[in-house]
Amino acid sequence: AQTVTQSQPEMSVQEAETVTLSCTYDTSESDYYLFWYKQPPSRQMILVIRQEAYKQQNATENRFSVNFQKAAKSFSLKISDSQLGDAAMYFCASPNTGNQFYFGTGTSLTVIP
Amino acid sequence: NAGVTQTPKFQVLKTGQSMTLQCAQDMNHNSMYWYRQDPGMGLRLIYYSASEGTTDKGEVPNGYNVSRLNKREFSLRLESAAPSQTSVYFCASRAERETAYNEQFFGPGTRLTVL
Repeated sequence: AQTVTQSQPEMSVQEAETVTLSCTYDTSESDYYLFWYKQPPSRQMILVIRQEAYKQQNATENRFSVNFQKAAKSFSLKISDSQLGDAAMYFCASPNTGNQFYFGTGTSLTVIP
Repeated sequence: NAGVTQTPKFQVLKTGQSMTLQCAQDMNHNSMYWYRQDPGMGLRLIYYSASEGTTDKGEVPNGYNVSRLNKREFSLRLESAAPSQTSVYFCASRAERETAYNEQFFGPGTRLTVL
């Protein structure tokens, strides 16, 4: 079965600093996407960033970037210049060709003023 | 364009009661999903529907039934609620692979408590 692992249940970062959230996955697919979702206290799931596996270049969206290591099956999220509004649960996700998504257990990020 | 909507937002049931969670999307997506979210366990797939008229079991289907009423609507029914079904339930829909990078769009969630 496809698995997604987030080994950091909780992380904290000082405002304006940088933090990296880890994610590893296991898949037998040759072409696939990977996603990071953010869930603030409002509960709404919000897409942060996506990476297509066949693309060598790491995805970037403003202050959010990924470090995608395909051979190691690692997909970490880097948040630069952390802001108070970044405080949330972050979920890594990987779909399979059978139309199912697999989510990690999440990392709770606290931003310290 | 409302995206994915869910009703109700909150619900309290007694053990043994039944209820249906409603979900609708206006993005013309074929695929729709129901998840439950429990502390420390992330999102677990209950059922999904790849297209109108089809449904498939996910990781935790026991105690639930679903109906894909039409392309827009996908409902989740608890026939006899149990305290173990206390959770937050999310509905999601997904664009076709060729057009939107497989992103899932989520509803706002339903917090269900079973006493």
